[in-house]
Parts: sequence; structure tokens; C-alpha cells
Amino acid sequence: EPEVTQTPSHQVTQMGQEVILRCVPISNHLYFYWYRQILGQKVEFLVSFYNNEISEKSEIFDDQFSVERPDGSNFTLKIRSTKLEDSAMYFCASSRQGYTEAFFGQGTRLTVV
Amino acid sequence: QQPVQSPQAVILREGEDAVINCSSSKALYSVHWYRQKHGEAPVFLMILLKGGEQKGHDKISASFNEKKQQSSLYLTASQLSYSGTYFCPRRRNLEGSTLGRLYFGRGTQLTVWP
Repeated sequence: EPEVTQTPSHQVTQMGQEVILRCVPISNHLYFYWYRQILGQKVEFLVSFYNNEISEKSEIFDDQFSVERPDGSNFTLKIRSTKLEDSAMYFCASSRQGYTEAFFGQGTRLTVV
Repeated sequence: QQPVQSPQAVILREGEDAVINCSSSKALYSVHWYRQKHGEAPVFLMILLKGGEQKGHDKISASFNEKKQQSSLYLTASQLSYSGTYFCPRRRNLEGSTLGRLYFGRGTQLTVWP
């Protein structure tokens, strides 16, 4: 069964460092998303990506964040200068259309120290 | 903008039934149900696209009342594996829309004991 895969599963980084979280969406899906979940809190939307551009972003997704689809299979989230409050589980998701069900990857746990 | 779920938490014995309700003050064009176990990603359960639609697999089913902007998730003869947090995130998914964002609330925490 096709699934969304994320790497790495865990990442520890020092404050101020740049991190890149990687995702391989389901192959025939056209819409890609990043969400995050701070421990004990709600799942929060960061950004959606369609047709090689951002279609929507939340207020969390500020200038320190960027997304890219560098090739036909990968979808990345870059955090330029990490802060302690960026520590969270980051989920990538994809859907075939904007209104169909979204499937989530297993997540990357980011710890900023 | 996320839907309101009730109850916030429910504790069951294995084999008991539960109903989780989801209501929205904004128009619901469809309803998505997800389950998230502790430390894991949300897992898609089912989507209901039309008012009046009912769906189910295994012993989990759902209904969607579009007029009332409500949906209910029914868990029958619950199993230990049903434990987790259940969500009905809202989505502005007008057909053809490129806006696929899901609005997650706090969800309903379901605990099944042996």
C-alpha cells in the first residue's frame, strides 16, 4: 500500500542551525502539506503546496521556513535558523486532490537544544 | 475554525460501544475522520462527501448530516486497538479547490481498557 515516508525520524539540532526535513509523498498525489504538533498540543497546519508553488500558509510559516520540491519525488521543509520553540513533531501529508483524504507520514521529531 | 467534538474524552471497556460527535459552525462540504495514537501520525479513517452518507469498515462507521453540519463516528464492540485521539478536522474542500488545509481541534480521547 502506498505511503508517505519521512526522513529522518528524529533530528536533534542546536539553536540557530538550519535543518531540512524530507518527505516522499504518495506518487500520484498532487497536493503536499506540512503540519507540526508540539508535544501535548493540536496538530497545526504550516503550508500546502500544489503545482510547484505554495497554495496556502499559516501564520506560523514565517520567513524562517521554506518548502521545495527539488525533484519529482521529494518534498522538503527547511527551517533556516531553528529556535527552541520549533521543537515538535513535523508531519508531511499528501492528497490526490485538494478535497480528497490526506495521508500522513510517520513524522520527524525535531528537538532543538 | 475547527469543528467541535464531544465528548472530549471517553473511557470504555473492551466490547463496549461509543459515539463521537462532530459539529461545525461553518459549512461542512465533507467530513474527514482521523485517529492518532500517542506519538504517532494521524491515520485517515474515512471521508464522507455527501450529506446523509454513511460509511463503515470493520466496526467503525460514520454518518454525515450536511444540513445540521454534524457528523457522528460510531465504534461498535470496541477493541484495545481503538484507543487513541479521534479527530474530525475541517477542510474547505469545495470540489476543485486547491485549498486542502485541515483544521484540527483537540479531538476526542478514547481509552479502551481490557
